[in-house]
Amino acid sequence: GESVGLHLPTLSVQEGDNSIINCAYSNSASDYFIWYKQESGKGPQFIIDIRSNMDKRQGQRVTVLLNKTVKHLSLQIAATQPGDSAVYFCAENPASSYKLIFGSGTRLLVRP
Amino acid sequence: DVKVTQSSRYLVKRTGEKVFLECVQDMDHENMFWYRQDPGLGLRLIYFSYDVKMKEKGDIPEGYSVSREKKERFSLILESASTNQTSMYLCASSFPGDHEQYFGPGTRLTVT
Repeated sequence: GESVGLHLPTLSVQEGDNSIINCAYSNSASDYFIWYKQESGKGPQFIIDIRSNMDKRQGQRVTVLLNKTVKHLSLQIAATQPGDSAVYFCAENPASSYKLIFGSGTRLLVRP
Repeated sequence: DVKVTQSSRYLVKRTGEKVFLECVQDMDHENMFWYRQDPGLGLRLIYFSYDVKMKEKGDIPEGYSVSREKKERFSLILESASTNQTSMYLCASSFPGDHEQYFGPGTRLTVT
């Protein structure tokens, strides 16, 4: 059968609604958690990050929540716009490492 | 703004050919990275360089090599391309200790 890894989860939202994109991470020792946005035909672009000693961080229309107890990260986008349509990746940065470990991504589709 | 450029957006090569993918960044970043991106698998690190002529293997280095002769340029080499190396290749750069990486637009390589 097909590998689960080939299917990109998709979130479809109405323009103007709020979006919540979720991510599970694996490394308890990660120091930073980052969200990237990748539009079609472009490389990933940094959106927001959060340090492991924080639970919440807000940016412009975006909020990242970190739940270390269950190793869960979420990205909330307020008043979602058509320009928010993209693939969103979470990434974790293990402490004392140059590496970023990326999740498999979630596609966000914004319906007009 | 940081600019990371990649030599080709699309490339088609035959099995067994030697392939060079070039990446140039203009922000004087010490760190440079090569990733491959496959549907549903996120970004996987192939090689990392932290200085001129310095390199480290990433998670999937088999079948690849790299060259960093100048600080701004990082090349990925496929010594003998194979069909399973058909993928999107992304270059990124960053300052040491900075978890925010800046990505190029990607090169979509097809090996036939």
